[in-house]
Amino acid sequence: EIVMTQSPATLSVSPGERATLSCRASQSVSSNLAWYQQRPGQAPRLLIYGASTRATGIPARFSGSGSGTEFTLTISSLQSEDFAVYYCQQYNNWPPWTFGQGTKVEIK
Amino acid sequence: QVQLVESGGGVVQPGGSLRLSCAASGFTFTYYGIHWVRQAPGKGLEWVAFIRYDGKNEYYADSVKGRFTISRDNSKNTVYLQMSSLRTEDTAVYYCAKDLIRYFDWKTGTFDIWGQGTMVSVSS
Repeated sequence: EIVMTQSPATLSVSPGERATLSCRASQSVSSNLAWYQQRPGQAPRLLIYGASTRATGIPARFSGSGSGTEFTLTISSLQSEDFAVYYCQQYNNWPPWTFGQGTKVEIK
Repeated sequence: QVQLVESGGGVVQPGGSLRLSCAASGFTFTYYGIHWVRQAPGKGLEWVAFIRYDGKNEYYADSVKGRFTISRDNSKNTVYLQMSSLRTEDTAVYYCAKDLIRYFDWKTGTFDIWGQGTMVSVSS
């Protein structure tokens, strides 16, 4: 089973600033990596797949990069609606499909 | 619009059973695999089960294998999760999620549409 590790656990950022979230896989997942956003009380929402492809309707301020074992989600200028928990997830070796433990982006 | 709606959650005693449903609309249901993903209170996301678009293969997390069964009725655009021998650690919100990929290939496993979730509480 591939273990996904996200850092930091919590990220405090001011509105308008850049946020950089990291995700590491225990072995290579190539570019088969997705990012999800989960706002309080809501279902997760797909942001990025293929490590860097934005899903339908996702604003350009969200970008993903990386391959192999190291990945990054960048939010270029945080808006109020971006304060949420973010999960990475691999789909290279399955089953199981595995998620990271999440990074909470909170208002500084 | 594309939508998944879960139902069937509730409170059940340890050792009991429950069947969840996931009703799909707004897309060609027979083209896509469907997953179940759960989230324990205050915790992260855990993939639970997957069924292929045609129902020919199913996959399960080790934590539920032998206790949960996923199935689908393509005539009703619905996926089911039959849960038995429930344990307290199965307490969670259960989401169904549509796979991004049409049909089935090695890139299966991106969850592009999610339902709102249904709560399952296992408690005596």
